[in-house]
Amino acid sequence: DQQVKQNSPSLSVQEGRISILNCDYTNSMFDYFLWYKKYPAEGPTFLISISSIKDKNEDGRFTVFLNKSAKHLSLHIVPSQPGDSAVYFCAANTNAGKSTFGDGTTLTVKP
Amino acid sequence: NAGVTQTPKFQVLKTGQSMTLQCAQDMNHNSMYWYRQDPGMGLRLIYYSASEGTTDKGEVPNGYNVSRLNKREFSLRLESAAPSQTSVYFCASSDGAEYNQPQHFGDGTRLSIL
Repeated sequence: DQQVKQNSPSLSVQEGRISILNCDYTNSMFDYFLWYKKYPAEGPTFLISISSIKDKNEDGRFTVFLNKSAKHLSLHIVPSQPGDSAVYFCAANTNAGKSTFGDGTTLTVKP
Repeated sequence: NAGVTQTPKFQVLKTGQSMTLQCAQDMNHNSMYWYRQDPGMGLRLIYYSASEGTTDKGEVPNGYNVSRLNKREFSLRLESAAPSQTSVYFCASSDGAEYNQPQHFGDGTRLSIL
């Protein structure tokens, strides 16, 4: 049973437009959520996070929204840039500190 | 800053051979992790170490062993490699003092088992 799901394997957007990446989870014990970005042949790097006591966290062009009742979070990138083309992983933590990852969404930003 | 360093970057093994993947971090982190990533899938936790001297199984521990040699180093050993263990292996570390600290990843070891 996959506890963290990213249902869109890929997403293509035009440069300057908004990218919206989605993530759903099933375990109500998750209370901290993170997004990581991964370029080919590199390890994932941390992008942005949100605690379950918040519904929004913003960092520059990146905003994460959390809807606890729907067990859904999303990452918004505005405006999208070609350098944002990468695989984005959603991860969820319980208070034990271990992360459960989704399968990733490959974002392609076209010039 | 090196961050998390994994060696080797690439390795080809024959079925039944053994090898050890090395990982070292220079951020004075307490917690370290080993993941595998198969094509089209996310990262699955193999083993983790919450602090020096402790190790625990993750989601997919079968066929692997680990050693937390000291605070800096966390190695992963395949005793008898199988084709199903062909994957990209990532080591990560985190402060561990609070559960909401992000993990820092190495660039991975690409392992092929023939």
